[in-house]
Amino acid sequence: AQTVTQSQPEMSVQEAETVTLSCTYDTSESNYYLFWYKQPPSRQMILVIRQEAYKQQNATENRFSVNFQKAAKSFSLKISDSQLGDTAMYFCAFSASGTYKYIFGTGTRLKVLA
Amino acid sequence: DTAVSQTPKYLVTQMGNDKSIKCEQNLGHDTMYWYKQDSKKFLKIMFSYNNKELIINETVPNRFSPKSPDKAHLNLHINSLELGDSAVYFCASSPRGGANVLTFGAGSRLTVL
Repeated sequence: AQTVTQSQPEMSVQEAETVTLSCTYDTSESNYYLFWYKQPPSRQMILVIRQEAYKQQNATENRFSVNFQKAAKSFSLKISDSQLGDTAMYFCAFSASGTYKYIFGTGTRLKVLA
Repeated sequence: DTAVSQTPKYLVTQMGNDKSIKCEQNLGHDTMYWYKQDSKKFLKIMFSYNNKELIINETVPNRFSPKSPDKAHLNLHINSLELGDSAVYFCASSPRGGANVLTFGAGSRLTVL
């Protein structure tokens, strides 16, 4: 069975600085997808970034980038130039290709400090 | 126009009552989901439908019954509500599974007193 682990329940970062959120996963699948979702206080779940396991290149989306280490089964999210609006819960998620099951980690609560 | 809309956003009810949450998506997606988020923010899949067909049914009490009248709608009916059912319920949709991004609704917060 696949599992997703986020070992940092809470983190804080000063505005304009960089922060990295950790995620590890366990799977025997070779073809899968990884996601980071953000849940601000408004409760709405929003996709931050998506990575295909078969792509070696790390995904980036403006200030958000990932460090995908397939052999280590690690998928960390780096937020550069942190903004107050980045304050949210961040969830790492895994989905095997061809399945309909998305497995979420327990989340990391990020607080950006002014 | 909201892509995935859930109603109601808030539900407060007594133990033992029956309640429903409705979900509609206008994205043309084939697959819809119900997730439960507990007080510790843990997100767990409950059900998934692909083109009106049930494809995921996790170990959820049979007091919970999903219904998909068409691929744009997925409703959740809960019988005999219990205190432990208090949670935020999220509806989501995707074009298909696996590779695709989930688009979530805004969530429905259910409080059972």
